[in-house]
Amino acid sequence: EAGVAQSPRYKIIEKRQSVAFWCNPISGHATLYWYQQILGQGPKLLIQFQNNGVVDDSQLPKDRFSAERLKGVDSTLKIQPAKLEDSAVYLCASSLGTSGSFSDTQYFGPGTRLTVL
Amino acid sequence: QKEVEQNSGPLSVPEGAIASLNCTYSDRVSQSFFWYRQYSGKSPELIMSIYSNGDKEDGRFTAQLNKASQYVSLLIRDSQPSDSATYLCAANDYKLSFGAGTTVTVRA
Repeated sequence: EAGVAQSPRYKIIEKRQSVAFWCNPISGHATLYWYQQILGQGPKLLIQFQNNGVVDDSQLPKDRFSAERLKGVDSTLKIQPAKLEDSAVYLCASSLGTSGSFSDTQYFGPGTRLTVL
Repeated sequence: QKEVEQNSGPLSVPEGAIASLNCTYSDRVSQSFFWYRQYSGKSPELIMSIYSNGDKEDGRFTAQLNKASQYVSLLIRDSQPSDSATYLCAANDYKLSFGAGTTVTVRA
């Protein structure tokens, strides 16, 4: 079974530039998550999709971050304009069950390491 | 905002010893708990999940949950150098919240 795919793996941009990340979840997984992991910290949830609807985006900085999941499969996360503090690893995860299932296990992709100069 | 706290590291243990990792969480709503292992430069991978009070064993790993004390732990028995990684505790109340992680180094 193929895992969660993400691209690119690495990205270096200058502040105020824009960047986009792509995620393809495990086949059949209805729920997709984007996390931000700053060095030395645990992952922080940015946005959660159930199929193509947003379940939780309470921690997404909406003035600069946007995400979409068209057709309920692939997803893109965009940052525009980027700030220095956005330097982090952006992790995509997916899970099989319905949103809110306490036993729903999340599987993570390899992540995209973003450096903002 | 739920908070998940893990014992500060790094934790250094000799090969063959038991590594003990602790985690506390701030709310009483969380229903399930997960331990993820994250090697340097890699993404988190699930090693244990626990939903009920008590112990759950899987190979060399044992997770312990005490909901009354809002406490969850992970024991790694017969630690191996390959266990050297950062271990993330996560609590789920319909949203997964992670601790900052505890870095474990197993000395050969």
